[in-house]
Amino acid sequence: EDQVTQSPEALRLQEGESSSLNCSYTVSGLRGLFWYRQDPGKGPEFLFTLYSAGEEKEKERLKATLTKKESFLHITAPKPEDSATYLCAVQARSGSEKLVFGKGTKLTVNP
Amino acid sequence: ETGVTQSPTHLIKTRGQQVTLRCSSQSGHNTVSWYQQALGQGPQFIFQYYREEENGRGNFPPRFSGLQFPNYSSELNVNALELDDSALYLCASGPAQGDTQYFGPGTRLTVL
Repeated sequence: EDQVTQSPEALRLQEGESSSLNCSYTVSGLRGLFWYRQDPGKGPEFLFTLYSAGEEKEKERLKATLTKKESFLHITAPKPEDSATYLCAVQARSGSEKLVFGKGTKLTVNP
Repeated sequence: ETGVTQSPTHLIKTRGQQVTLRCSSQSGHNTVSWYQQALGQGPQFIFQYYREEENGRGNFPPRFSGLQFPNYSSELNVNALELDDSALYLCASGPAQGDTQYFGPGTRLTVL
């Protein structure tokens, strides 16, 4: 069964303090790994899609990387507005189109 | 702004009732998926529709059903509501199978 585990569950950073979020996954043939940002009570906002090991993508202060077993979301010099829950999801190559999500990492950036 | 809208924003029902949630996908998006997100959890896949046909289903009972219409709108119907059905219901659409899915703002359902 496809599975996603995110760590840590919660992370508190000071403004400007860089860190990384981890997403470990098991999937029967990876079609894509997705990162979303979710604010309280809102729908997930798409950030990145990664398709193969070694791939990297960047957007502002965020950089996502992918290996065969895990993905990292690196946050460089975060600002308070980066506070949110970050969700990781995988989609298998075969069968259903479903996304399998982890429980997320709740990031709080203090000024 | 994803172009995916959902209605209503919030809904309160009592156990045993039926509910219909609605989603309007971005124009040109042929796939629509529905997810249930309980508090503190990641979204759980309910089912997906592609060009008005169900294209995959998660571990949800048959009382969860859906429809997709040619005008890029869709519905999620839940019969015989249970207390555990209280959650945020998310609709996500994408241009084609395998493409990135873009989420709407969700409908918060409370079952009393």
